[in-house]
Amino acid sequence: DSGVTQTPKHLITATGQRVTLRCSPRSGDLSVYWYQQSLDQGLQFLIQYYNGEERAKGNILERFSAQQFPDLHSELNLSSLELGDSALYFCASSEGHRPNTEAFFGQGTRLTVV
Amino acid sequence: DAKTTQPTSMDCAEGRAANLPCNHSTISGNEYVYWYRQIHSQGPQYIIHGLKNNETNEMASLIITEDRKSSTLILPHATLRDTAVYYCIVYGLGNNDMRFGAGTRLTVKP
Repeated sequence: DSGVTQTPKHLITATGQRVTLRCSPRSGDLSVYWYQQSLDQGLQFLIQYYNGEERAKGNILERFSAQQFPDLHSELNLSSLELGDSALYFCASSEGHRPNTEAFFGQGTRLTVV
Repeated sequence: DAKTTQPTSMDCAEGRAANLPCNHSTISGNEYVYWYRQIHSQGPQYIIHGLKNNETNEMASLIITEDRKSSTLILPHATLRDTAVYYCIVYGLGNNDMRFGAGTRLTVKP
């Protein structure tokens, strides 16, 4: 158990809909990272937050947005969903934004768009 | 884009050492080398990281060349449960996006 909690574990929704994925980081971790992993694909970095502020942005579509709340949990919002958005979405957390701290990953949310 | 190059796949016999190479020829002085692994579709698991010196923990050893342009992850006694995709990442100050490449699919065989 990494200490990072992602909910829900599974989500099935229709095209055009909007969903929210939730991530609770490990206690004390200030950084949260979001990744997308399509079937048999690598992990695509989406976005990173540190203590409520956006720190880095990767290949995140305009239809996607994220935020980190004062209690440090984070949400990834996916809207106008397309079939190609079906993927595993992982959240990771780390202690700080400095590079000498390892990140711990949650077990992911499997999103299926039908 | 990922700043590392790894072989696509490797096999290793159970009980033997698994040596996974990684090239990171454009690594800068403040970037660390990290290794993670992903077993099936589980969340990636941290293994080890280092800056300049070789590192060892209960899971593995990390050997970084003197010029820091490549590294090797060593699993000293591979087991079937070590079958996974292993990712080598460089990550440092000014490079906040921790990007994964395609990784190496390690298969440990009986």
